[in-house]
Amino acid sequence: DAGITQSPRYKITETGRQVTLMCHQTWSHSYMFWYRQDLGHGLRLIYYSAAADITDKGEVPDGYVVSRSKTENFPLTLESATRSQTSVYFCASCRDSFTEAFFGQGTRLTVV
Amino acid sequence: AQKITQTQPGMFVQEKEAVTLDCTYDTSDPSYGLFWYKQPSSGEMIFLIYQGSYDQQNATEGRYSLNFQKARKSANLVISASQLGDSAMYFCAMRDFTGNQFYFGTGTSLTVIP
Repeated sequence: DAGITQSPRYKITETGRQVTLMCHQTWSHSYMFWYRQDLGHGLRLIYYSAAADITDKGEVPDGYVVSRSKTENFPLTLESATRSQTSVYFCASCRDSFTEAFFGQGTRLTVV
Repeated sequence: AQKITQTQPGMFVQEKEAVTLDCTYDTSDPSYGLFWYKQPSSGEMIFLIYQGSYDQQNATEGRYSLNFQKARKSANLVISASQLGDSAMYFCAMRDFTGNQFYFGTGTSLTVIP
C-alpha cells in the first residue's frame, strides 16, 4: 500500500526492555520525523532525518536511537524503556523543505 | 529557538458559525512555513493548510483560511461555517527551511455545538 505505515499500532513492554518502532514510507520522501504526543505537550520532535544516513536530534532525543540506512525506513529504538516513554509515537515524512508532512497512524506504546 | 504557541486549550463554536484558532510563532529565520493539522478522535493527523513566509496573500483551502500577520508573528486558522465533523484537536506547526525541524504547538481542542 502506498503511504506511510507504522508498526506495531499498539505495544506493551516492560521497563528496561529494548523496543523498536517501525516506520515505512513508499513515496521516497527525503525527510522523515519521529514525534511523541503527550497530553499538554502537543507533538514533540524526537529525531529527524533529511536523507538516508543523515539523522539529527530534535527536542527530546534522550533514551531513543534512530537509523536510516534506506530512504523508505526510519526505525525508532528505545534502548531501555522507561515508564516516562509511555506515549503515542508518530512517524511523518515530507518530500522537501517546503511541503507538508504526512503522518503515519501512530503507535501507542505503554511501558509497565 | 523556534517555538509555537497556541493559547486556547479548548474552544466551542456553534454549528454554521465561524471560529478562529490562534497561533503565534517565534523564529529568527526569514524563510519558514506555517501549517495547520487536524487530529480527530480517531487519532490520525490530517494536513489542512500551508502558508509560506514570503507568500503575499493569506492561504485558503475550502472552509479553511490562514490569517497570516507576519509582523505580529501570528498564523491564526479561521474555519468558516463550522460543521459537527470539525470537532477535533487542531495543531499549528512551523518549519524553518534551514534547520528543517518541524515544530508543533500544544493544540486547541475544538467542539462544534449543534
